Amino acid sequence: EVQLVESGGGLVQPGESLRLSCAASGFTFSNCWMSWVRQAPGKGLEWVANVNEGGGAVYSVDSVKGRFSISRDNARNSLYLYMSSLRVEDTALYYCVGWDSTLVYWGQGTLVTVSS
Amino acid sequence: DVVLTQSPLSLSVTLGQPASISCRSIQSLVHSDGKTSLEWFHQRPGQSPRRLLYEVSNRDSGVPDRFSGSGSATDFTLKISRVEAEDVGTYYCMQRIHWPHTFGQGTKLEI
Repeated sequence: EVQLVESGGGLVQPGESLRLSCAASGFTFSNCWMSWVRQAPGKGLEWVANVNEGGGAVYSVDSVKGRFSISRDNARNSLYLYMSSLRVEDTALYYCVGWDSTLVYWGQGTLVTVSS
Repeated sequence: DVVLTQSPLSLSVTLGQPASISCRSIQSLVHSDGKTSLEWFHQRPGQSPRRLLYEVSNRDSGVPDRFSGSGSATDFTLKISRVEAEDVGTYYCMQRIHWPHTFGQGTKLEI
């Protein structure tokens, strides 16, 4: 059974940092591009960052560039998102997503709340 | 950024009737290999999104054949031939050819 299990979310104050993790199982993690996609409460889906299969190519949207960093550990079948200088507008459910040829896998998400 | 504009943003449909959602892109979504990077997702309340279609019209495993996709380059359509109760939720189109990858605003379907 394919599973993507996110963890690391929580309540933080503006300016603080957080690291999200995603543990993958049930598929060949190292074959997949991996992404973080977020959804603010009651809003639509927003792409955050991508990393290629080997981890050597990363992309992030302008709104998080310089603050968020995506990485992966293929030996541990894990994806990470390091988030710093968090803002109120970063409050969202963060999904881990895997792309394997013609297949796509979504986790259940981990909630990040940024509030003073 | 490649903006995807969906219409309508909300849709109220009678059970058994058809439904149609449009997705328009400001840039072509055709890759150099000839494939078109346009996907459709369905998200039920409180659940993660589930992909229905990729490359415009290819159904994902387990997706009922009442869902179909059509279109080319910048203009795409998702059709549900006969809406069922389980189809409620929000539908998103998405492109993965231009960075940043982008989603449409979403179309909320109600019965």
